Amino acid sequence: AQSVSQHNHHVILSEAASLELGCNYSYGGTVNLFWYVQYPGQHLQLLLKYFSGDPLVKGIKGFEAEFIKSKFSFNLRKPSVQWSDTAEYFCAVTAMIYGGATNKLIFGTGTLLAVQP
Amino acid sequence: GAVVSQHPSWVICKSGTSVKIECRSLDFQATTMFWYRQFPKQSLMLMATSNEGSKATYEQGVEKDKFLINHASLTLSTLTVTSAHPEDSSFYICSARRSRGPLQETQYFGPGTRLLVL
Repeated sequence: AQSVSQHNHHVILSEAASLELGCNYSYGGTVNLFWYVQYPGQHLQLLLKYFSGDPLVKGIKGFEAEFIKSKFSFNLRKPSVQWSDTAEYFCAVTAMIYGGATNKLIFGTGTLLAVQP
Repeated sequence: GAVVSQHPSWVICKSGTSVKIECRSLDFQATTMFWYRQFPKQSLMLMATSNEGSKATYEQGVEKDKFLINHASLTLSTLTVTSAHPEDSSFYICSARRSRGPLQETQYFGPGTRLLVL
């Protein structure tokens, strides 16, 4: 079955530190990949997405992610985090069913990032 | 933008009553809407996929008679928790996907509805 794993449950960083959150998925076909962010008390917001093309995707607020097909990974990065990046980050995948129909969005368990000022 | 609203944002009800939650796409048409449930410190679990004008598709383990979903228009889907019990207390989140265009595969999420059943 299709699944998404996020290895880090909690991450604590100081401001200006670099961030990398891991995401791996299990599906052998074509996938669409997403990172969503949930700030405290707010709803899920799309951070970035990968559908096709350049595997290095740039999103909002200085975030980027790299799709490495051979590793089934889509890790999220930011070179210098800020206190305002404190939030929960979810990796998600939809799988393209052969024939063009799309599948449902499968979420990872989330990574809680706390940035200390 | 792509804004999805939910109403109410929170509700407290007595055990045995039914609760209806609305999900609206405010500035786009959504042929498909999704209903998720999120438990504390856990990820979102898909409950059902709702297509406009047809019956919802429920995930395994989700009782369709308990969680009634109606998607009568391209901008509105409703989730009714029938005969709610304390174990139904949770955070219910909807999302909507545009009906067409290059962003068709992106889901936009509502702010969620917190349900507490006493």
